[in-house]
Amino acid sequence: EPEVTQTPSHQVTQMGQEVILRCVPISNHLYFYWYRQILGQKVEFLVSFYNNEISEKSEIFDDQFSVERPDGSNFTLKIRSTKLEDSAMYFCASSEGLAGGLDTQYFGPGTRLTVL
Amino acid sequence: AQSVTQPDIHITVSEGASLELRCNYSYGATPYLFWYVQSPGQGLQLLLKYFSGDTLVQGIKGFEAEFKRSQSSFNLRKPSVHWSDAAEYFCAVGGSWGKFQFGAGTQVVVTP
Repeated sequence: EPEVTQTPSHQVTQMGQEVILRCVPISNHLYFYWYRQILGQKVEFLVSFYNNEISEKSEIFDDQFSVERPDGSNFTLKIRSTKLEDSAMYFCASSEGLAGGLDTQYFGPGTRLTVL
Repeated sequence: AQSVTQPDIHITVSEGASLELRCNYSYGATPYLFWYVQSPGQGLQLLLKYFSGDTLVQGIKGFEAEFKRSQSSFNLRKPSVHWSDAAEYFCAVGGSWGKFQFGAGTQVVVTP
């Protein structure tokens, strides 16, 4: 069964450093998403991406964040200058793109980001 | 704006007993509703979803959920829990451009 994959599984970085989190969505999916989950808190939407552009973003997704689909398979989340409060589990998800993005999202296993 | 409330932060249930997890939503139109499960250190796995039609939906692992528009609820049930059902359960409502809104989650502990 196709699945969303994410690398690395755990990333440790120093405050102020740039990090790139990588995701490979399910191959025939058209919508891609990033969510984060701070330890002990709810899963929060960051951004959705369709047709090579951002279609929706939350207030969390400020200028420090960016997303890119550099090729036909990868989907990346970049944090330019990490802060302590960026420490969280980051989930990538994808969906087929039916119903304007309202369809089922399939989640990857997550990347745990630790900012020191 | 849509929102999801899971009133129970933590539930303890005996193995073999029934389980019901509550979810209430707020959404202006017909909601697209989902239940996901997260085992420790794992990602989110879809249990079931409701888009339209029959208000009682069946999912994987023996779970079912019932959509009740009058109560704005989408409660998850399982008749007999197994130790492997210990996990955190999230209810979510779909929004425009895929902006899912998740509830805070309910941690389920299964005792022998």
